[in-house]
Amino acid sequence: AQTVTQSQPEMSVQEAETVTLSCTYDTSESDYYLFWYKQPPSRQMILVIRQEAYKQQNATENRFSVNFQKAAKSFSLKISDSQLGDAAMYFCAYRGTQGGSEKLVFGKGTKLTVNP
Amino acid sequence: DVKVTQSSRYLVKRTGEKVFLECVQDMDHENMFWYRQDPGLGLRLIYFSYDVKMKEKGDIPEGYSVSREKKERFSLILESASTNQTSMYLCASRPWLAGGPNEQFFGPGTRLTVL
Repeated sequence: AQTVTQSQPEMSVQEAETVTLSCTYDTSESDYYLFWYKQPPSRQMILVIRQEAYKQQNATENRFSVNFQKAAKSFSLKISDSQLGDAAMYFCAYRGTQGGSEKLVFGKGTKLTVNP
Repeated sequence: DVKVTQSSRYLVKRTGEKVFLECVQDMDHENMFWYRQDPGLGLRLIYFSYDVKMKEKGDIPEGYSVSREKKERFSLILESASTNQTSMYLCASRPWLAGGPNEQFFGPGTRLTVL
């Protein structure tokens, strides 16, 4: 079964600085999708960024980018120019493309604090 | 914008009660999901539904059942609530599109406390 590991339960960053959240996963599939979701305090979970495993180019969405290392099964999220509104729980998630591929497998989350 | 709504933000029930959590989505999505979220455990899938009247067990289905009579509505049922079911419950929906990293859209969550 696929597993997703976020090794940093909590992280903090100074406003305007850069922070990287780590995520590793375990799978035997060659084609799959990876996601980072953000859950602000008392607010709905929203998608931050997604990556298709067959694409070598790392995904970027404004201040958010990923470092996707397929061989190492690593999918880290970099937040540049951190803002107070980036404070949230961040979840890394995996979805395969074979049987049972409707399901997302989530990591346990990283709580990000942004200090002014 | 996709909207996923849940019937209650906060709910307090007593042990042994039958509890219904309702989720409605307005984008004609085929797939719907129920998760529970607990500190340090992340999100764990309880049940999901491919389409109307279709359901599949997730990773932690024990003590729960679901109902999907209409495409837009997916209900989670706690047949006899217990204190270990105190948790945050999140509903999500996703369109069924062959291939593609189509995202799940989440509701605001229901924080259930069982006394």
